[in-house]
Amino acid sequence: QKEVEQDPGPLSVPEGAIVSLNCTYSNSAFQYFMWYRQYSRKGPELLMYTYSSGNKEDGRFTAQVDKSSKYISLFIRDSQPSDSATYLCAMRDSGGSNYKLTFGKGTLLTVNP
Amino acid sequence: DSGVTQTPKHLITATGQRVTLRCSPRSGDLSVYWYQQSLDQGLQFLIQYYNGEERAKGNILERFSAQQFPDLHSELNLSSLELGDSALYFCASSVGPSGGVYEQYFGPGTRLTVT
Repeated sequence: QKEVEQDPGPLSVPEGAIVSLNCTYSNSAFQYFMWYRQYSRKGPELLMYTYSSGNKEDGRFTAQVDKSSKYISLFIRDSQPSDSATYLCAMRDSGGSNYKLTFGKGTLLTVNP
Repeated sequence: DSGVTQTPKHLITATGQRVTLRCSPRSGDLSVYWYQQSLDQGLQFLIQYYNGEERAKGNILERFSAQQFPDLHSELNLSSLELGDSALYFCASSVGPSGGVYEQYFGPGTRLTVT
């Protein structure tokens, strides 16, 4: 079993839809949870991060972490064509001196005008 | 633009050859990370350097090596290349390793094709 599982999609939605992206993980040591967005032929860019369990909102984006279920989600409200990209979840443990990120394989999202 | 630069953008080479990928971190960032992204494996952590010293290793092959120089730029050396090494190689940088989230900023990547 991979440490982080993410449905690769592809996911196609109409403009304005609410999008739900999810990851599950197996390593209970993970404490920091992130969502990255990657446009085609570009490097990943950090959208949001959450420490431990709970919700975090930033504009149209909401990140949720449920550590008891080892499940994280990213919701995109009022989705726009410019949101079309691959979304990668990433996570790491509390660190020490190691800040290695473990990524899901990414979900390809297309928002149709 | 993340502020992380990588050269070259594209590299095409033959099996058995050796290549060097270069990364310049954002101004002020002391940590550099190397990742490999392929279709089947996704984005995989290779190695981390902090202020010139190796801090963490992931699934990096023995044929691969890296270093971080006094000016903080980093190089990833790939030798005895195989077809399976064809992938996107990303460099990321962050301020430092101690405490907190320390967001990692990714460069645009180097696309390596081994023929």
